[in-house]
Amino acid sequence: KNQVEQSPQSLIILEGKNCTLQCNYTVSPFSNLRWYKQDTGRGPVSLTIMTFSENTKSNGRYTATLDADTKQSSLHITASQLSDSASYICVVSSPSGNTPLVFGKGTRLSVIA
Amino acid sequence: NAGVTQTPKFRILKIGQSMTLQCTQDMNHNYMYWYRQDPGMGLKLIYYSVGAGITDKGEVPNGYNVSRSTTEDFPLRLELAAPSQTSVYFCASSLGEAFFGQGTRLTVV
Repeated sequence: KNQVEQSPQSLIILEGKNCTLQCNYTVSPFSNLRWYKQDTGRGPVSLTIMTFSENTKSNGRYTATLDADTKQSSLHITASQLSDSASYICVVSSPSGNTPLVFGKGTRLSVIA
Repeated sequence: NAGVTQTPKFRILKIGQSMTLQCTQDMNHNYMYWYRQDPGMGLKLIYYSVGAGITDKGEVPNGYNVSRSTTEDFPLRLELAAPSQTSVYFCASSLGEAFFGQGTRLTVV
């Protein structure tokens, strides 16, 4: 069964600190993996996409990594800001034409002053 | 660019009433999805569609129906609203990346 597992479920950090969110998946075959940010009450918005051949990709203070062999990805947030408080969702897609995206349940991050 | 548009944004229903949540996209995406999100929880897939005329059940389809007569539109129908259907509903479309609507907050009382 295609699944995406994220950890931790929730996380509280002080403003300015770094944090790393984890995503493990069993989706096969694999096409790409995206990290989304979902602010409370709003729809998720894509942060970054990782394809099979990519190991690391950065988007400002966000850095995503992918190990396609172990089927693991991480999202590292540097120098956190209060506006980083949100849910971060890992989404994996398969190249199959009839398979929907597989969503993780997300990590709820709270950045406090 | 409108992207994915959901209506209404908010709705209060009485138990047993019915309603249709509208979703339309202007990106010519084949894939469309309906998710619900309960407070503090992740997104749960209700139904999805891989193209006009094709729909399939997701993780939590009971109590809902969908149709996909055109590429643009993917309405979600609640026939007999129940308190357990109180949630925020998100519609999405995708061509690789998923684009989400702003959500419909539904309360069943």
